[in-house]
Amino acid sequence: AQKVTQAQTEISVVEKEDVTLDCVYETRDTTYYLFWYKQPPSGELVFLIRRNSFDEQNEISGRYSWNFQKSTSSFNFTITASQVVDSAVYFCALSEAGTGRRALTFGSGTRLQVQP
Amino acid sequence: EPEVTQTPSHQVTQMGQEVILRCVPISNHLYFYWYRQILGQKVEFLVSFYNNEISEKSEIFDDQFSVERPDGSNFTLKIRSTKLEDSAMYFCASNSVRGGSSYNEQFFGPGTRLTVL
Repeated sequence: AQKVTQAQTEISVVEKEDVTLDCVYETRDTTYYLFWYKQPPSGELVFLIRRNSFDEQNEISGRYSWNFQKSTSSFNFTITASQVVDSAVYFCALSEAGTGRRALTFGSGTRLQVQP
Repeated sequence: EPEVTQTPSHQVTQMGQEVILRCVPISNHLYFYWYRQILGQKVEFLVSFYNNEISEKSEIFDDQFSVERPDGSNFTLKIRSTKLEDSAMYFCASNSVRGGSSYNEQFFGPGTRLTVL
């Protein structure tokens, strides 16, 4: 069965520090999709990135970057030069495409607090 | 930019009452979902809906839950007889079949906070 583990429950950094949020997943599928969502204090879920299992190329978007490593089943998320507005809960999620499932399996989330 | 909307934003009900949570997915999307998030916990999948029928459901989605697309725009989740443990934030989501893939990002609505007393 699929599983997503975010071992870091809460991280606190000072503004301008870099921070990496870890995500480890388990799946028997060879075709799957990985996602990161942000949940700010207002509560909505904001899509950040989607990655499919055949694309291990790392991605950078502004201050955000993602490192996908199939060998370690990890899909880590780094925020460079963090800002107070980055304070939120971040969820990693998995969708097993090979079985036809589209349901997202979420990790338990990492609460990031960026102090000014 | 198109977005998923949900009403009401907060619903308070008595245990045993029926509630209907409403969602308007993004207009050209074909897949619709309900998730829930108990306070402080992770987001959990309930059900997905495509072509006017349920395509997947989780163990949580038991007989007290039902979904419907009563018209071309709304997507509803009904809880027949609410229990205290149904108190949670309920999120609706939708996605498209862009580029031939139905595994595109799911866009979430702002959620309905359900409080069962």
